[in-house]
Amino acid sequence: GAVVSQHPSWVICKSGTSVKIECRSLDFQATTMFWYRQFPKQSLMLMATSNEGSKATYEQGVEKDKFLINHASLTLSTLTVTSAHPEDSSFYICSATSGGSGANVLTFGAGSRLTVL
Amino acid sequence: AQSVTQPDIHITVSEGASLELRCNYSYGATPYLFWYVQSPGQGLQLLLKYFSGDTLVQGIKGFEAEFKRSQSSFNLRKPSVHWSDAAEYFCAVGPPSSYKLIFGSGTRLLVRP
Repeated sequence: GAVVSQHPSWVICKSGTSVKIECRSLDFQATTMFWYRQFPKQSLMLMATSNEGSKATYEQGVEKDKFLINHASLTLSTLTVTSAHPEDSSFYICSATSGGSGANVLTFGAGSRLTVL
Repeated sequence: AQSVTQPDIHITVSEGASLELRCNYSYGATPYLFWYVQSPGQGLQLLLKYFSGDTLVQGIKGFEAEFKRSQSSFNLRKPSVHWSDAAEYFCAVGPPSSYKLIFGSGTRLLVRP
């Protein structure tokens, strides 16, 4: 079946540095990818929707300049946390779809845990 | 406001016992309803979904869920739990034909030998 890979699975960085997280669809072309953030013991919150070849659509309250999303190919989307601060520490999850309607065609990655010191 | 509530943060059951995980939602219309499972280090896997029709839906791994409109609930059940079912379970809702899901905060299932 469809597989989505995230890398790195965990990362620790110093405050003020930037961190890039990759989301790859391994065996299908992902026309749309989604980025979520999950705080401990809380829900997954949709951050942005990423369509190949176009600018990402951010959810209300998500800082575009803080969380840069690029979807340059049909198999890769990247999330860059710029000038990271401790409050950006979180679990980031991506999902991808090859098309069709409805969330039944979403495939999720295993997540990336970011810790900012 | 649209929301999903999973009132149980943790649930512990003995292997072989039955299981019910609760999910209540607040939504303007009848949404699409989903249950996902997340094992440690793994992505979210779709267990089952409800779009319309029969309110009792069957999913993978022996799970089922029942949509009760009057109670705005979509509880997940399994008659006999296996140790491999230990994981985090998420209920989610979304508008028809959309990927924008609202997730509950999850219920962690622990299985006693």
